[in-house]
Amino acid sequence: NAGVMQNPRHLVRRRGQEARLRCSPMKGHSHVYWYRQLPEEGLKFMVYLQKENIIDESGMPKERFSAEFPKEGPSILRIQQVVRGDSAAYFCASSPSRRGGNTEAFFGQGTRLTVV
Amino acid sequence: AQSVTQLDSQVPVFEEAPVELRCNYSSSVSVYLFWYVQYPNQGLQLLLKYLSGSTLVKGINGFEAEFNKSQTSFHLRKPSVHISDTAEYFCAVSDNNDMRFGAGTRLTVKP
Repeated sequence: NAGVMQNPRHLVRRRGQEARLRCSPMKGHSHVYWYRQLPEEGLKFMVYLQKENIIDESGMPKERFSAEFPKEGPSILRIQQVVRGDSAAYFCASSPSRRGGNTEAFFGQGTRLTVV
Repeated sequence: AQSVTQLDSQVPVFEEAPVELRCNYSSSVSVYLFWYVQYPNQGLQLLLKYLSGSTLVKGINGFEAEFNKSQTSFHLRKPSVHISDTAEYFCAVSDNNDMRFGAGTRLTVKP
């Protein structure tokens, strides 16, 4: 049973380009979470999705960032017109049931985005 | 809504010394508590969790944590650390609707 798969592991984009980060949850998991980790900072929650639904996007910047988790295929975190401040590690986690309670979240290895 | 405070951002310690990483939380409802470890350039992996029952929880790699309801704490301990324990450690608190992470504690084990 493969774990949470994120790709690419490293992504370099020039300012103004788009970044697409992919996350395939563990088999049987229908809940996906995205977190951002800035250098020397902790994990910041961005968005929580179930299949085809955004449940909580309270941590997402209002502009340029979007996320989806379609019925088929991986979850995508999309950053348009990237800026240097978007450089960070982006982690995806998945769980078999809804957020909270005694449900453990399983994390991917992360995508390290560098904006040059 | 709950919150999590990790009191130390960095903890340097010598190899084979004991270590305690502190975590305090606030919540108006019953919670579940987790410690995750993040090795350099890796994702987070679960170290241990408290769901119910015994307040002393044992995890992987010789770590343990004690849930103290009156002090609203869930401190992580190891009696003798190794160089390989150098990593970032995150405390997390979950209630019925949400999971929140602390800011992390960077443990550096020196020879």
